Amino acid sequence: EVQLVESGGGLVPPGGSLRLSCAASGFTFSTYWMTWVRRAPGKGLEWVANIKEDGTEKYYVDSVKGRFTISRDDAKNSLYLQMNSLRAEDTAVYYCARVWDGIDYWGQGTLVTVSS
Amino acid sequence: SYVLTQPPSVSVAPGKTASITCGGDNIGSKSVYWYQQKPGQAPVLVIYYDSDRPTGIPERFSGSNSGNTATLAISRVEGGDEADYYCQVWGRSSDPVVFGGGTKLTVL
Repeated sequence: EVQLVESGGGLVPPGGSLRLSCAASGFTFSTYWMTWVRRAPGKGLEWVANIKEDGTEKYYVDSVKGRFTISRDDAKNSLYLQMNSLRAEDTAVYYCARVWDGIDYWGQGTLVTVSS
Repeated sequence: SYVLTQPPSVSVAPGKTASITCGGDNIGSKSVYWYQQKPGQAPVLVIYYDSDRPTGIPERFSGSNSGNTATLAISRVEGGDEADYYCQVWGRSSDPVVFGGGTKLTVL
């Protein structure tokens, strides 16, 4: 059974940093693109970042470029999102998900709240 | 960047068919994916490659795509179908994942 479990969310002041983690199991993690998607309160789904199977390609939505970094550790079956210079508008539930025929498996999400 | 347009809300009576549209420039040339998200839950893929259903998704869910509009149809709607629905396509490398704004389905 495919499982994706996020962790690392919480309350952080504007300008602060957080590192989200996603533990994957039930599939060969190293052979899939992975992605982070977020949903802010009262808003719709927003793609945040993608990473290729081997980590050589990474893509970001414009609003997080230069502030967020996606990475992976295939030996640990883990995906990460390092978030720096956080803003109030980054407040959202962040989902880790697998890319295959569409985005076919999603974690339950971790809440990030940016507030003083 | 590529834009997908969905109606903010759709209402339907139980047992009827709900149709949710997703508009985009020549979207018929792209593969469209649909997701269902219920309150407090993660999104679930309900349609891929325009009209295919993942294992476990009821046959009541169907999709079509032509011209400038893709459509998700839910037949024999039930109260449990109340959710937000999102369409999605793959964009360019600079903007690889594009979501529509989402449609809230209300069962009357």
